[in-house]
Formats: sequence, C-alpha cells, structure tokens
Amino acid sequence: GDSVTQMEGPVTLSEEACLTINCTYTATGYPSLFWYVQYPGEGLQLLLKATKADDKGSNKGFEATYRKETTSFHLEKGSVQVSDSAVYFCALSPSGYSTLTFGKGTMLLVSP
Amino acid sequence: GAVVSQHPSRVICKSGTSVKIECRSLDFQATTMFWYRQFPKQSLMLMATSNEGSKATYEQGVEKDKFLINHASLTLSTLTVTSAHPEDSSFYICSARGLSGDHEQFFGPGTRLTVL
Repeated sequence: GDSVTQMEGPVTLSEEACLTINCTYTATGYPSLFWYVQYPGEGLQLLLKATKADDKGSNKGFEATYRKETTSFHLEKGSVQVSDSAVYFCALSPSGYSTLTFGKGTMLLVSP
Repeated sequence: GAVVSQHPSRVICKSGTSVKIECRSLDFQATTMFWYRQFPKQSLMLMATSNEGSKATYEQGVEKDKFLINHASLTLSTLTVTSAHPEDSSFYICSARGLSGDHEQFFGPGTRLTVL
C-alpha cells in the first residue's frame, strides 16, 4: 500500500538557519503530495502541496518540489524563525483530495 | 479560512465507560468527515470516513462496533468509543471536507483520550 517516510526529529536549529526535512513516498500512479504543519495546541494546517511531477509548492517561505524520479518531496526553507517551531507532516493522496496517508511527523525546534 | 472544532479537547474516563467526541465544521458544510488516531511519535492513521446521512466506511482493522461514528448533519460528526479500555487511550483527530473548491481537508485540534 501507499506509505510516506519522513526523517525523525526533533530537528533543532538556530534562527535564520536553513531547513530541510526529507520525505519520500511509495505509491502507485501519480499521487498528490502535501506538507501539513501542526503548531502547538492547534490542528493540522495545509502548508503547501504539489499535484504533479516537477511541481513546486510554496508558502510562507517554505518550498517543496515533487520529484517523481526519486519519489521525494523534501521540505525546505532558507531561513527559519522561532515561530516556525511546530510538527511537520508529509502526506500523499492517491487522487487529489481523497484519503490522506501521513508520515510520522517531524518536530522542528527553532531557538533564538 | 475554514475552521473545525473538536470537543472535548481532553477526556479521562474509567475503563468500561463510553466516550463521545464531537467534530464540528464551524463556517462551512462538510459533506465528508474523517476520523484519525495518532499514537505518540506515530503518524495519523485513518480510522474511518463518514459522509453525511450515510454509514461510515471503516479502515481495515478498525472495529466499527467499538468506534461508532455518526454524521447526522453537514456540520457535525461524532465518534463514540464504546466500552473504552486503556489500549484505546490515544489522540483522536477529525477533519472535514467541504463542497467547494478543491476539497481540501480541514483538521480539528484533536482530542486526547485517557482511559484509566
């Protein structure tokens, strides 16, 4: 079945450091790929998405590129802020916005 | 943006009792709601999908008689954990999907269930 693997955390960074959270997936066909963010005490929010190969999703300074050849969707940000501290989930959906399969989540801790 | 609430946020109950968790879409109509379960340091596992006015579709391995789901209106779905046991202790998260746009799922803040 479909699965998503993302790097274990926590990832601890200083403010303004570069961030990469790795995500790889296993799925048949051409899934849509997502990054969700969960701030402390809140629900999951969609951060960005990509629906086909080579698409780049971006939002709030975060980017991720749908790489079908490597089945990856790594999350990147050039300069993190303390307010970026949260848990980040990589997810896929077999067809648009039907059911979602999530990775285990990666906690990001950014210190001043 | 679309807001989904869950109630209660935390609940502690004795083994053998039943617990009901509510999921509400506050500013949109949700034709489909999803219930997930999350263990510590684990991913969200889909338990069931419910469509308004029809029976829920449960994922393999999820006991439908233990986890009763009702989606009686376009803004409310409930999950009832019947005869709860300590192994049911977990974080339960709902999401809702509306009619418009690209059918994005909007997530609630979750409910922490502890069964003693």
